[in-house]
Amino acid sequence: AQSVAQPEDQVNVAEGNPLTVKCTYSVSGNPYLFWYVQYPNRGLQFLLKYITGDNLVKGSYGFEAEFNKSQTSFHLKKPSALVSDSALYFCAVRDLGGKLIFGQGTELSVKP
Amino acid sequence: DTGVSQNPRHKITKRGQNVTFRCDPISEHNRLYWYRQTLGQGPEFLTYFQNEAQLEKSRLLSDRFSAERPKGSFSTLEIQRTEQGDSAMYLCASSSNSGATNEKLFFGSGTQLSVL
Repeated sequence: AQSVAQPEDQVNVAEGNPLTVKCTYSVSGNPYLFWYVQYPNRGLQFLLKYITGDNLVKGSYGFEAEFNKSQTSFHLKKPSALVSDSALYFCAVRDLGGKLIFGQGTELSVKP
Repeated sequence: DTGVSQNPRHKITKRGQNVTFRCDPISEHNRLYWYRQTLGQGPEFLTYFQNEAQLEKSRLLSDRFSAERPKGSFSTLEIQRTEQGDSAMYLCASSSNSGATNEKLFFGSGTQLSVL
């Protein structure tokens, strides 16, 4: 069965510093991986996806993610964090039927 | 693109009562998904439709839960005889491509259910 894991419940970063939110996956076949962000009282918003091609995927709001097949990881990154990036981040994998399976989420806190 | 709309935003009910939520997907989207999210957890899949056909239902989903999408447009999720454990945020999402590998889901803001 397809699954993802987010090993960190919370990540704290100072504004202006680079950030990384970790995700590892377990799939049978090719992985189709996604990152979503959830702001308070808002629905989940799509950030980026990896289907095939370049291992470095660029997405919305300056975020990018690096697909690493050997480490079965898909970490979310941003070179310089903003306070407004503070939110819940979810990694997800698409299963064979088409639905997304989500990780448990990582709360990102960016302090001024 | 007016987004995915969910109503009501909040629902408070007493244990044992029935509740119904509505989701209006983005108009041209043929896939519609229901998820449930509790505090500190990621969204948990409940069921999904392609047009009016319900293609999959989570094995974890109680028989008290039923969903419909009668004309392939809006969808309703009903919970009968609610229990306190049903308290959660119920999320609806839609997508346009029928099973395409690159499809992304567009989410509504959710319905927060509180069962007293």
